[in-house]
Amino acid sequence: DIQMTQSPSSLSASVGDRVTITCRASQSISSYLNWYQQKPGKAPKLLIYAASTLQGGVPSRFSGSGSGTDFTLSISSLQPEDFATYYCQESYSTLMYTFGQGTKLEIK
Amino acid sequence: EVQLLESGGTWIQPGGSLSLSCAASGFNFNNYAMSWVRQAPGKGLEWASSISGSGASTYYAASVKGRFTISRDNSKNTVHLQMHSLRAEDTAIYYCAKLGSMAGADYWGQGTLVTVSS
Repeated sequence: DIQMTQSPSSLSASVGDRVTITCRASQSISSYLNWYQQKPGKAPKLLIYAASTLQGGVPSRFSGSGSGTDFTLSISSLQPEDFATYYCQESYSTLMYTFGQGTKLEIK
Repeated sequence: EVQLLESGGTWIQPGGSLSLSCAASGFNFNNYAMSWVRQAPGKGLEWASSISGSGASTYYAASVKGRFTISRDNSKNTVHLQMHSLRAEDTAIYYCAKLGSMAGADYWGQGTLVTVSS
């Protein structure tokens, strides 16, 4: 099975900061990598699919990059509504998917 | 508008059985794979089970394989998760999710809580 490792597990930042979250796969997954945002008490929300394609309605301050085993999610200028937990998810194997352990983004 | 509505979550004793349902609307249901994703209290997301659009292919996480069965009824736009031999560690919010491009889960239900406890 493919393992996904996110770093850091938590992050403190201020409004207006640029932040980057990293996700590493245990084997090459090409661009089969998706990113989600989850706020407390809510279902996750798809932000980016195929490593770098922004889901409809997602602000352009979110961006994703990477291929193979190393991927990043960047937020260019943090807004108050961006403080949440972020998860990566590989979708390389048909119907068999794995999430990273999550990165909690908190207000400094 | 795409909507996913889960039902069936409840409190149940260890060793018991439970069936969850997800009613879908707003999209061509039989064209899309569907999944159940769960989240234990205070923990991260775990992909539990997936089923192809036709229902011919299924996947189970190792933690639920042999105890859970996913199925779908394309005539009723519903997906089900039959759970047996429930354990305390199955306690979680269970989300139904539609899989879109590159198997990104582009729509989610609100979740249904399953509590396994004596």
